[in-house]
Amino acid sequence: GAVVSQHPSWVICKSGTSVKIECRSLDFQATTMFWYRQFPKQSLMLMATSNEGSKATYEQGVEKDKFLINHASLTLSTLTVTSAHPEDSSFYICSAKDRLYNEQFFGPGTRLTVL
Amino acid sequence: TQLLEQSPQFLSIQEGENLTVYCNSSSVFSSLQWYRQEPGEGPVLLVTVVTGGEVKKLKRLTFQFGDARKDSSLHITAAQPGDTGLYLCAGEGNYGQNFVFGPGTRLSVLP
Repeated sequence: GAVVSQHPSWVICKSGTSVKIECRSLDFQATTMFWYRQFPKQSLMLMATSNEGSKATYEQGVEKDKFLINHASLTLSTLTVTSAHPEDSSFYICSAKDRLYNEQFFGPGTRLTVL
Repeated sequence: TQLLEQSPQFLSIQEGENLTVYCNSSSVFSSLQWYRQEPGEGPVLLVTVVTGGEVKKLKRLTFQFGDARKDSSLHITAAQPGDTGLYLCAGEGNYGQNFVFGPGTRLSVLP
């Protein structure tokens, strides 16, 4: 089956530092990857859509300079939270859209805690 | 903007009971997906429905896509504690827009 991995699974950092989260599709090619944010006991909120080889499309209200997305290959997208603050603490989940079957598969998520 | 609503938001039942979760929208979707998410993990895809009126079964789970492709339901027969989790529906618009997620139904099955 289609597997999507995320690294790291959890990270704790100090306020003001930057954190990079990787999302990889392990056994399929994904032209499109999505980045979501999920607060406790809430649903997923789409932050941005990442297309391989082009700039990411950000949802309204999401600062592109704060959440830098790079989709350099068909199997890897990265999200960098720049100058993180405590309010950026959240569960970040990526998903990858399978090129052949047009289905979306999710990574296990990354829990970010900013002190 | 396409929106999805889910009901109920919370559901707590005893093991062995049946339940139905609903996903509704005023918009038409080219497909709807159901996911189950456990705390601290990413959502896991359960099923994708594409054709209006389609019914799919996955063991004790039965999924139905409305004829007009605006709504879907998930029915669980003889629920077990292992069914506990957050059930999310997500729809993809007709023009290939991004997936839109419903707010989720949090199910708790008590032994």
